[in-house]
Amino acid sequence: KNEVEQSPQNLTAQEGEFITINCSYSVGISALHWLQQHPGGGIVSLFMLSSGKKKHGRLIATINIQEKHSSLHITASHPRDSAVYICAVDTGTASKLTFGTGTRLQVTL
Amino acid sequence: DSGVTQTPKHLITATGQRVTLRCSPRSGDLSVYWYQQSLDQGLQFLIQYYNGEERAKGNILERFSAQQFPDLHSELNLSSLELGDSALYFCASRGSTDTQYFGPGTRLTVL
Repeated sequence: KNEVEQSPQNLTAQEGEFITINCSYSVGISALHWLQQHPGGGIVSLFMLSSGKKKHGRLIATINIQEKHSSLHITASHPRDSAVYICAVDTGTASKLTFGTGTRLQVTL
Repeated sequence: DSGVTQTPKHLITATGQRVTLRCSPRSGDLSVYWYQQSLDQGLQFLIQYYNGEERAKGNILERFSAQQFPDLHSELNLSSLELGDSALYFCASRGSTDTQYFGPGTRLTVL
């Protein structure tokens, strides 16, 4: 079993829909990261969380440390949000990251 | 633009060869991480350097090695290349916060 599990693996949404991507982990962590990887391959860090909730524009990330679960929400989704979203955990050992397998999101008009 | 640069962008080589991938971190960042992204394994941590010293090792093969130089750039050396080494190789740098900034990656194809 992977230490970091994401669901769903693939997600198709229509423009304007509210999207939720889930991440569960089985190890103790010091922080959880949400990353975005566009079709060109580049990876962008969206959020780093150790507790609670963070918001940036239309993106919201939450984490529940007791339940070892995090969610990434996208409000009013847009085709430019189409990308792979990756959850990664920092176990505190040199801040190296362990990654989930990613959620491929396609937003259509 | 993350401020992290990687060269080359693409590399095509043959089995058995050796290649060097280069990474320049963001100005002032002392930590450099190397990650491999392959189709079957996803993203995996390879190795971390901090201010010239190796800090952590992950799933890095013995055929692979890395170093960080006094100017803080880092190189990842891959030798005796096999078909299965074909992947995207990312480096990331980290400063005083825990956010990692990823470079654009080097796509390695081993034929």
